[in-house]
Amino acid sequence: GAGVSQSPSNKVTEKGKDVELRCDPISGHTALYWYRQRLGQGLEFLIYFQGNSAPDKSGLPSDRFSAERTGESVSTLTIQRTQQEDSAVYLCASSPSFGEKLFFGSGTQLSVL
Amino acid sequence: KNQVEQSPQSLIILEGKNCTLQCNYTVSPFSNLRWYKQDTGRGPVSLTIMTFSENTKSNGRYTATLDADTKQSSLHITASQLSDSASYICVVRGYGGSQGNLIFGKGTKLSVKP
Repeated sequence: GAGVSQSPSNKVTEKGKDVELRCDPISGHTALYWYRQRLGQGLEFLIYFQGNSAPDKSGLPSDRFSAERTGESVSTLTIQRTQQEDSAVYLCASSPSFGEKLFFGSGTQLSVL
Repeated sequence: KNQVEQSPQSLIILEGKNCTLQCNYTVSPFSNLRWYKQDTGRGPVSLTIMTFSENTKSNGRYTATLDADTKQSSLHITASQLSDSASYICVVRGYGGSQGNLIFGKGTKLSVKP
């Protein structure tokens, strides 16, 4: 595709439910990042994948959050037992390699009722 | 601690006026600094990159500066347009740290009024 694709664009869920967010990076990009952006706030780092290296999970806020990436392709971010404070836009970005600029998707707006 | 601080937090200017956004960082060792523009409801888009040896770089009406000694960068917008209304995010890349070696500022929200 032409850019980073995220789905769904919007997700409304009930407190306690699990949600799965998907990111399709630009083909050939080895690096993939997930960020969380609460309303009116800056981007919070969640997790970083670089090729086949072990991911940097240092930003995941709790064990309810997990992410996977299959090779250098699609990534999924899973939030278990969602809480209202999980409501935010979840942004995915990819880059060709270390040091290159990030290309962001348009995000998934998650609303937990 | 590696940090990126941006000022002002928000700014309102009239169309056609100039403005300057500031970014101070403590990231060390330093690799590069990027300015991103984030329109409402969209992901950030890279405007320009500054490396250690670069002092000034222009991209159309956007001019970025970097002073690696004082660890400060600025983004100057000339002859602002309504479409410049967005958040501008300063991102510093270091070496050997966590978060994919990227430290994000919280952004400056710019509103350009007619």
